[in-house]
Amino acid sequence: DVKVTQSSRYLVKRTGEKVFLECVQDMDHENMFWYRQDPGLGLRLIYFSYDVKMKEKGDIPEGYSVSREKKERFSLILESASTNQTSMYLCASRPPNRVLSNQPQHFGDGTRLSIL
Amino acid sequence: RKEVEQDPGPFNVPEGATVAFNCTYSNSASQSFFWYRQDCRKEPKLLMSVYSSGNEDGRFTAQLNRASQYISLLIRDSKLSDSATYLCVVGNQAGTALIFGKGTTLSVSS
Repeated sequence: DVKVTQSSRYLVKRTGEKVFLECVQDMDHENMFWYRQDPGLGLRLIYFSYDVKMKEKGDIPEGYSVSREKKERFSLILESASTNQTSMYLCASRPPNRVLSNQPQHFGDGTRLSIL
Repeated sequence: RKEVEQDPGPFNVPEGATVAFNCTYSNSASQSFFWYRQDCRKEPKLLMSVYSSGNEDGRFTAQLNRASQYISLLIRDSKLSDSATYLCVVGNQAGTALIFGKGTTLSVSS
């Protein structure tokens, strides 16, 4: 079974702090993703990475950055946390696609982040 | 038209009922389709892939209609444990990411 591990289930930080959310997967997957999920808005893609040191912006990258120094680890960084970044953050990984076919993603348990 | 659209529900059904969810998608070039299940305060988990010919997994049946660009999920003989939010998921044209619907909430009662 694929294991995607997020470093914290619950996190409370203050406005203006730099926040790091860590995600590790154990299946040697190339593709990794960071989402946030808010009531009524569903899952929204923040950033994704398809290889080490590679990153692509998703739908809502503003206020976030990412780091992929090793294949198994994908970090989400809130440069200066704000209250509107209070959310559930979900990391996912996925093996390479087959021809004409996306592979499903596997999610971590999520991190509930509160910014005070 | 939103990329992936679902009726948010909630669908409230008694145990043993049959319930169907539909989902529409906007990109006719999409190639991959899935249903995920998400329990309250938990992460989404893959329920099943959706194949062009339709596929079944126990009480769950998924159908794809490419011409009309919709996907369906049928749950037969509903159980209390089926209560969850069901997310319709479509692969983007470039094959780089999956696009998630906002989910349909199902509540099964005794």
